[in-house]
Amino acid sequence: GAGVSQTPSNKVTEKGKYVELRCDPISGHTALYWYRQSLGQGPEFLIYFQGTGAADDSGLPNDRFFAVRPEGSVSTLKIQRTERGDSAVYLCASSQGGDGSEQFFGPGTRLTVL
Amino acid sequence: QKEVEQDPGPLSVPEGAIVSLNCTYSNSAFQYFMWYRQYSRKGPELLMYTYSSGNKEDGRFTAQVDKSSKYISLFIRDSQPSDSATYLCAPDTGRRALTFGSGTRLQVQP
Repeated sequence: GAGVSQTPSNKVTEKGKYVELRCDPISGHTALYWYRQSLGQGPEFLIYFQGTGAADDSGLPNDRFFAVRPEGSVSTLKIQRTERGDSAVYLCASSQGGDGSEQFFGPGTRLTVL
Repeated sequence: QKEVEQDPGPLSVPEGAIVSLNCTYSNSAFQYFMWYRQYSRKGPELLMYTYSSGNKEDGRFTAQVDKSSKYISLFIRDSQPSDSATYLCAPDTGRRALTFGSGTRLQVQP
């Protein structure tokens, strides 16, 4: 596909469970970003990868959140012991890299924690 | 106080109206100024990108940045129903972790 894809589009889970959210960036894009968007708010930065390494993880709220990008392409955001406050849309974006490169966003995964 | 403040709206205008959307920010390190448009249940898409102070025009859209007053504006001329969306300002220091405003929901009535 031409754009950033995210799976699943919707995820409902119970408090305390573990979830994984997947992001497939645009082919050839070296930079990948995760954001979280709560209802009525703008996206909030979580983590940014350049290649396989996390270049900036300052936005991860606590140690329950973890993200990987082992081969420099697909990324997985992992949330342990989910809490109701984790309910949000998780957005992934990718860019070609370099300062000022446009970030292209996926449609997001809507996570609901019951 | 949030780093970026944006009136959430909703803002409802008739088709053909001129729309003015605004943000204020507090971080003097912001150098890049972006506006994103987000349709319901979609990801944001880049609409306008400006570096430093000044105006930038692209078709019906004009972005304006005043760094001295830390004020960002987006003007939409001849607004269309297809412009109905949430508009997010996103100033950036260049470290690539975008800081978004809360978004202004715009409704253009046919």
